[in-house]
Amino acid sequence: DAGITQSPRHKVTETGTPVTLRCHQTENHRYMYWYRQDPGHGLRLIHYSYGVKDTDKGEVSDGYSVSRSKTEDFLLTLESATSSQTSVYFCAISAGQGDAFFGQGTRLTVV
Amino acid sequence: AQSVTQLGSHVSVSEGALVLLRCNYSSSVPPYLFWYVQYPNQGLQLLLKYTTGATLVKGINGFEAEFKKSETSFHLTKPSAHMSDAAEYFCAVSVQNQAGTALIFGKGTTLSVSS
Repeated sequence: DAGITQSPRHKVTETGTPVTLRCHQTENHRYMYWYRQDPGHGLRLIHYSYGVKDTDKGEVSDGYSVSRSKTEDFLLTLESATSSQTSVYFCAISAGQGDAFFGQGTRLTVV
Repeated sequence: AQSVTQLGSHVSVSEGALVLLRCNYSSSVPPYLFWYVQYPNQGLQLLLKYTTGATLVKGINGFEAEFKKSETSFHLTKPSAHMSDAAEYFCAVSVQNQAGTALIFGKGTTLSVSS
């Protein structure tokens, strides 16, 4: 299995609080992605990174920010969590042609 | 803009029957196409991919898909379903832009297999 870990795996937080999810890889892949998965919507891209300090927005980026200060770590921050951000979040890594390896997911509940 | 449409959010088959999961894409350039599978409470794993060359692509667990440019399709098939194939399946297209590569997914198809 590709070396990709997400933390935490589960989190419950209150509306209005900031939340940071971490994705860590040991594969030295260039690309890292954050997706959210919701019933009926499949996986939607939030943000992605194509190198250290190089990031771009996906289709559902509002309310989220990311940072990548090292090749191995990609952080997703919910600046002020809302109930609509209750979801399962997946991190993925890729060497570049699109075939990606996924983490196990983080189940986030905003109450 | 590239996009993916999966036809049918839920497909049910009997064990031993043919599995057919449909995927159509839109792309202004030759696409890279993928099928991923997700088992309950797990992340996604790659089943197969098409980049260039042979249009019939074989993947893991007996699955295969055929790239048909004229139909903009990349349907996933398996001749004989097993109970263990029950999962959610996602078709995806790789999007190249100035910022690099992003993977865009369809909404998924849940496959149920009955005995």
